Amino acid sequence: DTAVSQTPKYLVTQMGNDKSIKCEQNLGHDTMYWYKQDSKKFLKIMFSYNNKELIINETVPNRFSPKSPDKAHLNLHINSLELGDSAVYFCASRRSDGDEAFFGQGTRLTVV
Amino acid sequence: DQQVKQNSPSLSVQEGRISILNCDYTNSMFDYFLWYKKYPAEGPTFLISISSIKDKNEDGRFTVFLNKSAKHLSLHIVPSQPGDSAVYFCAASDKKLTFGTGTRLTIIP
Repeated sequence: DTAVSQTPKYLVTQMGNDKSIKCEQNLGHDTMYWYKQDSKKFLKIMFSYNNKELIINETVPNRFSPKSPDKAHLNLHINSLELGDSAVYFCASRRSDGDEAFFGQGTRLTVV
Repeated sequence: DQQVKQNSPSLSVQEGRISILNCDYTNSMFDYFLWYKKYPAEGPTFLISISSIKDKNEDGRFTVFLNKSAKHLSLHIVPSQPGDSAVYFCAASDKKLTFGTGTRLTIIP
């Protein structure tokens, strides 16, 4: 039973398209995150939600819009995709600040 | 502005020997530190953590050491096994997890 699941695992799309990545956690955690792993393999935080409320928004273009319909879900919508958006996107969740985060398997986005 | 750094991008260790992975941080407000292991095409998986009030935490073959004055932590794996070959990320916690750049560990049989 997967704790943090993301769909799709792979996504290939053309520049200019709009796409969404979905994330669900069944751990009962209050906090969820989106991380981006770029070509240099750095894992950088993009957004954090706590109880459906946005609490962290790093310097991410506003083409990226997270949406949290409930505590268990945090989806990432990307408008007008650009070549530089190609990366692996990881969703994660954790119970509180002092705990470990659990990660999804990642979504490899390729923009052509 | 990399607040968490892993200065060794790669490390090779003979099977059965000790693997030591290092991590440095700059923000003294971090109060919790973690190590994650990552295989290709998978998400990072939690390995071991340490609170800033401790200087050592041990779990089986894995031990994490924290030197707050030096803002340095390390992960020791002993004995190293082929299945330990992976990329290891250290992370520091406040409201979010800030990750280091990763060290690729290769265990040589």
